[in-house]
Amino acid sequence: DAKTTQPPSMDCAEGRAANLPCNHSTISGNEYVYWYRQIHSQGPQYIIHGLKNNETNEMASLIITEDRKSSTLILPHATLRDTAVYYCIVRVFGNEKLTFGTGTRLTIIP
Amino acid sequence: EAGVAQSPRYKIIEKRQSVAFWCNPISGHATLYWYQQILGQGPKLLIQFQNNGVVDDSQLPKDRFSAERLKGVDSTLKIQPAKLEDSAVYLCASSIRQGRGKTEAFFGQGTRLTVV
Repeated sequence: DAKTTQPPSMDCAEGRAANLPCNHSTISGNEYVYWYRQIHSQGPQYIIHGLKNNETNEMASLIITEDRKSSTLILPHATLRDTAVYYCIVRVFGNEKLTFGTGTRLTIIP
Repeated sequence: EAGVAQSPRYKIIEKRQSVAFWCNPISGHATLYWYQQILGQGPKLLIQFQNNGVVDDSQLPKDRFSAERLKGVDSTLKIQPAKLEDSAVYLCASSIRQGRGKTEAFFGQGTRLTVV
């Protein structure tokens, strides 16, 4: 699976949009971008995934650049409960292996 | 829908003792994972099962760690003998392949192991 690079930490004001970047410059054509988050003392939780089109669900939006070398997870209206570590993961569909990096620690500030 | 169940939630043992963790995945999930998460780090995959077969155990310290998944359902992870550096949270997860390229893994609450 391709390697990902994320900033170690970010802050965002409550109510504002949180934009979390991820670099995956060696991604292959059959690799999906997944985002998980881990709230303190809990197991990781799936947020969203995408291949090449932008995706949106009830939790977040995922913007993937046209060359697929980077992506941004957007939490449109951040709340205090969004404080967590966010992991960007690249994986081949059909390969169930899920490899976590160090992630981005997002802190929502009141 | 019941989630992934793990037990115990907490365990404190002395070094060189043995310990076992238990995981009951979501019903119907063929893939089961065990992760080790050391404080301040991301989860590290120890072993991945597909039904009752091992798919990946490349990062499992096989001299002291063992895992099995009987009948493709429940799983146990054992450490014998434990070392101080094994202090971590041990997470179990299960997943099932869905449509549109989605494979969502569901995680249990984890077992926090302290080796003293």
